[in-house]
Amino acid sequence: GESVGLHLPTLSVQEGDNSIINCAYSNSASDYFIWYKQESGKGPQFIIDIRSNMDKRQGQRVTVLLNKTVKHLSLQIAATQPGDSAVYFCAERRVDSWGKLQFGAGTQVVVTP
Amino acid sequence: ETGVTQSPTHLIKTRGQQVTLRCSSQSGHNTVSWYQQALGQGPQFIFQYYREEENGRGNFPPRFSGLQFPNYSSELNVNALELDDSALYLCASTLSGGGTDTQYFGPGTRLTVL
Repeated sequence: GESVGLHLPTLSVQEGDNSIINCAYSNSASDYFIWYKQESGKGPQFIIDIRSNMDKRQGQRVTVLLNKTVKHLSLQIAATQPGDSAVYFCAERRVDSWGKLQFGAGTQVVVTP
Repeated sequence: ETGVTQSPTHLIKTRGQQVTLRCSSQSGHNTVSWYQQALGQGPQFIFQYYREEENGRGNFPPRFSGLQFPNYSSELNVNALELDDSALYLCASTLSGGGTDTQYFGPGTRLTVL
């Protein structure tokens, strides 16, 4: 079935290095993508979003890349810090499902000193 | 902080009971969505309310119902609780028609069904 999925369940990163979290989606009708960060015991926290008419968007220390040709989304975190340790979810919104976000399973990012 | 609050934070119920979870949206947000997040999984869309009407529903049975009030607070009601209903329930608010699609999540309510 159609789904949003992540390639790696766990990503271990050394403090100060850059992190790359990948996400595959299968529905070409999706027009909006979001990355969320979820720390233990908390709700998902918005990081950055991108619309399907863009291929790159930058925020503070984060960059999202969208490759519609291969239906791939990635989140890059520069100079990873201990506070970046969390589960990261990508989510898609399909153009025919106003408001409904479909989430992947998540990637656990562990930042080591 | 997202400005979205939920209550209670934790709740324990027994199978067959009914539960009501509450959400207060970010100020001015006219749309609220509810999600169920099982342990170790991503959130699953339950339904969405816009201007007090349900306008989208995921693959959840009718015993999951909701309400949205004029002040944009909302409730999720679950009847005839089952063990598999144990999960973190999240609400997310957004301003539809406001030029943004970002959904802001609350901290969630952890429901345990025994």
